[in-house]
Amino acid sequence: AQSVTQLDSHVSVSEGTPVLLRCNYSSSYSPSLFWYVQHPNKGLQLLLKYTSAATLVKGINGFEAEFKKSETSFHLTKPSAHMSDAAEYFCVVSDFFYGGSQGNLIFGKGTKLSVKP
Amino acid sequence: KAGVTQTPRYLIKTRGQQVTLSCSPISGHRSVSWYQQTPGQGLQFLFEYFSETQRNKGNFPGRFSGRQFSNSRSEMNVSTLELGDSALYLCASSLGVTGTGGNQPQHFGDGTRLSIL
Repeated sequence: AQSVTQLDSHVSVSEGTPVLLRCNYSSSYSPSLFWYVQHPNKGLQLLLKYTSAATLVKGINGFEAEFKKSETSFHLTKPSAHMSDAAEYFCVVSDFFYGGSQGNLIFGKGTKLSVKP
Repeated sequence: KAGVTQTPRYLIKTRGQQVTLSCSPISGHRSVSWYQQTPGQGLQFLFEYFSETQRNKGNFPGRFSGRQFSNSRSEMNVSTLELGDSALYLCASSLGVTGTGGNQPQHFGDGTRLSIL
């Protein structure tokens, strides 16, 4: 069975410092992994996705994530936080194909990122 | 290209009423998924439609139903509303059915915030 755990419910950083949002997953098959961002009263926006190509995935707005199979992790990082990065971030896992069970997309509980000036 | 459009953005209903929410996917997208987002439960998958057929279903009671039209637009209906149905309802569209080859990412609308009095 698939599952995803976001290890921190809230992360606070200062503007200009690095961001690390942690995500561990469990999957029976070859997973696809995504990071989405949600700003207040908005829908989710895709930041990046991993689908078994390069293990280091670059996304929008300077974010990147590294797939580490041995650690079953897919942590999201950014070298330098900006005030506009303050939002909630969701790690999502999807198993390749055997579609049919509850939509195949499993969302983490989310990590709220605060950025201090 | 226009994004996913959800209407209405806000809705207030009372217990026992029913409600219909609408979602217009990105042009060319044939899959539409619905999610419920609450502070306590996070993001939960409701159902997914592709080519007017429900392909996947989450673990929600039968009061929650949906349909998809030939132009891929989708509606979600909730009958006999309960206080616990207060939530942000998100719609997402993608090219193919979730879980099938390529794992196309989902594109989300800004949601309909439903409040039950």
